[in-house]
Amino acid sequence: GAGVSQSPSNKVTEKGKDVELRCDPISGHTALYWYRQSLGQGLEFLIYFQGNSAPDKSGLPSDRFSAERTGGSVSTLTIQRTQQEDSAVYLCASTRFANTGELFFGEGSRLTVL
Amino acid sequence: QQQVKQSPQSLIVQKGGISIINCAYENTAFDYFPWYQQFPGKGPALLIAIRPDVSEKKEGRFTISFNKSAKQFSLHIMDSQPGDSATYFCAASKLSNTGKLIFGQGTTLQVKP
Repeated sequence: GAGVSQSPSNKVTEKGKDVELRCDPISGHTALYWYRQSLGQGLEFLIYFQGNSAPDKSGLPSDRFSAERTGGSVSTLTIQRTQQEDSAVYLCASTRFANTGELFFGEGSRLTVL
Repeated sequence: QQQVKQSPQSLIVQKGGISIINCAYENTAFDYFPWYQQFPGKGPALLIAIRPDVSEKKEGRFTISFNKSAKQFSLHIMDSQPGDSATYFCAASKLSNTGKLIFGQGTTLQVKP
């Protein structure tokens, strides 16, 4: 596709369950970012991948959160033992090179933890 | 030092009026200051951006004013239109680092017809 694709678009889960969120970046983009947007809040940086370099995990809020990027393309954000405070929209963005500035965002995955 | 503070939280403007949103940053290492526009149910999209070597950048009805000494920058939307109704985020980053953006809290703009 032409843009960043995220799935699922909506996910409702019960507290304590694990969830996986997927991101398909724009083809050829080497840098990939995950952000979290809570209701009425700004975008909170979670994690950054650049090529084969070690990811910048400095924004992950707890060890229940993890992410991987396979083959330099698709990325999966995993939240284990979900809590109600994890409810948010999880946004993925990609860019050709990290120093070019413009990030291209997907439409997000809305997670609701009951 | 990583914070970007944005105001106001919400803004209502009449059609044809000027919308002004302000941001302040703390980290003097930041070298890239974009504004993103987000419509409901969509991801943010880049609207306009500025580097610290200029004090103003204009693209159509949208202008960024940048004050390096005050560590502040603002977005001006001239001749505001109902189609401009959206949430606006300022951000800052150090491009030579990871390029990750530090976002402000967002401003919800409503332009009344």
